Amino acid sequence: KAGVTQTPRYLIKTRGQQVTLSCSPISGHRSVSWYQQTPGQGLQFLFEYFSETQRNKGNFPGRFSGRQFSNSRSEMNVSTLELGDSALYLCASSSQGARYNEQFFGPGTRLTVL
Amino acid sequence: DQQVKQNSPSLSVQEGRISILNCDYTNSMFDYFLWYKKYPAEGPTFLISISSIKDKNEDGRFTVFLNKSAKHLSLHIVPSQPGDSAVYFCAASAGQGGSEKLVFGKGMKLTVNP
Repeated sequence: KAGVTQTPRYLIKTRGQQVTLSCSPISGHRSVSWYQQTPGQGLQFLFEYFSETQRNKGNFPGRFSGRQFSNSRSEMNVSTLELGDSALYLCASSSQGARYNEQFFGPGTRLTVL
Repeated sequence: DQQVKQNSPSLSVQEGRISILNCDYTNSMFDYFLWYKKYPAEGPTFLISISSIKDKNEDGRFTVFLNKSAKHLSLHIVPSQPGDSAVYFCAASAGQGGSEKLVFGKGMKLTVNP
């Protein structure tokens, strides 16, 4: 099976812009979770989608949003970018959720906000 | 408030010796724990997990120990190999009927010297 893919791998934006990141889960996986990784905070949970519904949400401002399509592909959007949004954004998929099956992570999208 | 803590940012060991990575948690509702390994430029990969009904789980060179009363878990790698050099993340979840977000620690960099 192909692994989790994320596009783009690298992105440079300026403050105030918005950005959309894409994640294609492993075939057959219905759960997609998004995480933000920064050196100071480690991996922080953003949200999880399961069968097109947001099932869980972390403590991030409303500028961070996401959605999942019927083919389980997911996108996350960050509006009005701030310098502090510079991070590695990781997507992970699993067949049910993080608990019962280990999540499979993609390589991440490195976002730099100037 | 960091619910999952990896207090040591780094560890260096000699090849063939034991590596012990520690993790503490504060949320008594956590009932499932996982360890992930991350190489540079790659997403984290699942290593081993343990349910709160157990106090030990072993998989080859990797063993995870859980001490619920102390809210502490540890990952033992024996014998350590240079290929084990990576950042290790401890993660925990609290069951919510199938929808469980993972709470990660900040990670610990392990270096195994030949």
